[in-house]
Amino acid sequence: GPKVLQIPSHQIIDMGQMVTLNCDPVSNHLYFYWYKQILGQQMEFLVNFYNGKVMEKSKLFKDQFSVERPDGSYFTLKIQPTALEDSAVYFCASSGRTGGAREQYFGPGTRLTVL
Amino acid sequence: GDSVTQTEGQVALSEEDFLTIHCNYSASGYPALFWYVQYPGEGPQFLFRASRDKEKGSSRGFEATYDKGTTSFHLRKASVQESDSAVYYCALGPYTGNYKYVFGAGTRLKVIA
Repeated sequence: GPKVLQIPSHQIIDMGQMVTLNCDPVSNHLYFYWYKQILGQQMEFLVNFYNGKVMEKSKLFKDQFSVERPDGSYFTLKIQPTALEDSAVYFCASSGRTGGAREQYFGPGTRLTVL
Repeated sequence: GDSVTQTEGQVALSEEDFLTIHCNYSASGYPALFWYVQYPGEGPQFLFRASRDKEKGSSRGFEATYDKGTTSFHLRKASVQESDSAVYYCALGPYTGNYKYVFGAGTRLKVIA
């Protein structure tokens, strides 16, 4: 089936540094998402991105977070500066249909460790 | 805000047992409902969805029926296999004016051969 790729698979950084997580979504998809999952806990919605804009974001999407997809390339999540509580697995997802019930395709996740 | 409640945190069954995982939702609109499955080290995989009341979704022997009256979307399978061991997530999806998906806490299923 369609594949979503995420780079890197694991990132270790020091608190206060900037990190960029990269997502290569399914090629004809229009909607993009980031989720955060702390080990053993549930998936938490962060943000939904469509047509170059953030459509909706949750309270977890702090001011230090930003997303973009320049020129149809990677869909990125940038955290600047990072905090210890940002340690988690971040999943990217994409979906293609406009409106209605859209299933999402998820990447394998990027494990972020903030020291 | 919208929410999804999965009653069972963990379920342990033997092969060929019947599976039920309970999912109830609360939403201000009329959402689509989804089931996803997550294997270790992977992202969630779409299992199936239902978009309207009384619609049944199914895939790989799993099924669930959208019940607007009881706000439920319970996952069932008649005969589980060891390979079904995974974490199952119920989720509600976008509706008019809302672009967000909300996932339940997940139910870890362990099937013993």
